[in-house]
Amino acid sequence: QVQLVQSGSELQKPGASVKLSCKAYGYTFTSYVMNWVRQAPGQGLEWMGWINTNTGNPTYAQGFTGRFVFSLDTSVSTAYLQISSLKAEDSAVYYCARDYCTGGSCPFDYWGQGTLVTVSS
Amino acid sequence: AIRITQSPSSLSASTGDRVTITCRASQGISSYLAWYQQKPGKAPNLLIYAASTLQSGVPSRFSGSGSGTDFTLTISRLQSEDFATYYCQQYYSYPWTFGQGTKVEIK
Repeated sequence: QVQLVQSGSELQKPGASVKLSCKAYGYTFTSYVMNWVRQAPGQGLEWMGWINTNTGNPTYAQGFTGRFVFSLDTSVSTAYLQISSLKAEDSAVYYCARDYCTGGSCPFDYWGQGTLVTVSS
Repeated sequence: AIRITQSPSSLSASTGDRVTITCRASQGISSYLAWYQQKPGKAPNLLIYAASTLQSGVPSRFSGSGSGTDFTLTISRLQSEDFATYYCQQYYSYPWTFGQGTKVEIK
């Protein structure tokens, strides 16, 4: 069955970098767009952007340009989110989420379990 | 960006109650609206897409309606497992945006 399995919690110091992973199981990885969503502690959901798993082309929402990088390794059906120059306000749970459909505007039908990133000195 | 105003931010209800949550978009989004349920410590779960289409496996007590700017999620008879936070999301125009969430608590 379809599953997205994310890497474990991270505790990082301000200024460091972190690379989160999201490994897909049970479907053709390159057929569905992968999204990233952030949820700060006690807050709502914020869409960060998406990556075309066929071309590798990323699209970033405003506020997630520069320090945030989406990438892929299609050989292992895995999407990555790298965050550099970490700040305290980057502390959040980061989710990967698959588009429900294979083209056009789609909601998210499968989500990873989330990765908690804590930035603290 | 399209703003989504979700209300109420929280509500208290009893098992068996009918519950309604609304989302209003700052501009027309046709029917490009989804509803998610999120329980503490868990990822969101897709309930409804295209404003009114029930996702496979979702109980029929959940329903969605609306188009354009005004949308509603209704839980016809609240069950104990429905106590959670609910989010709406527009996927009509980038950036995709979510409502602020509605926490459904036990009265």
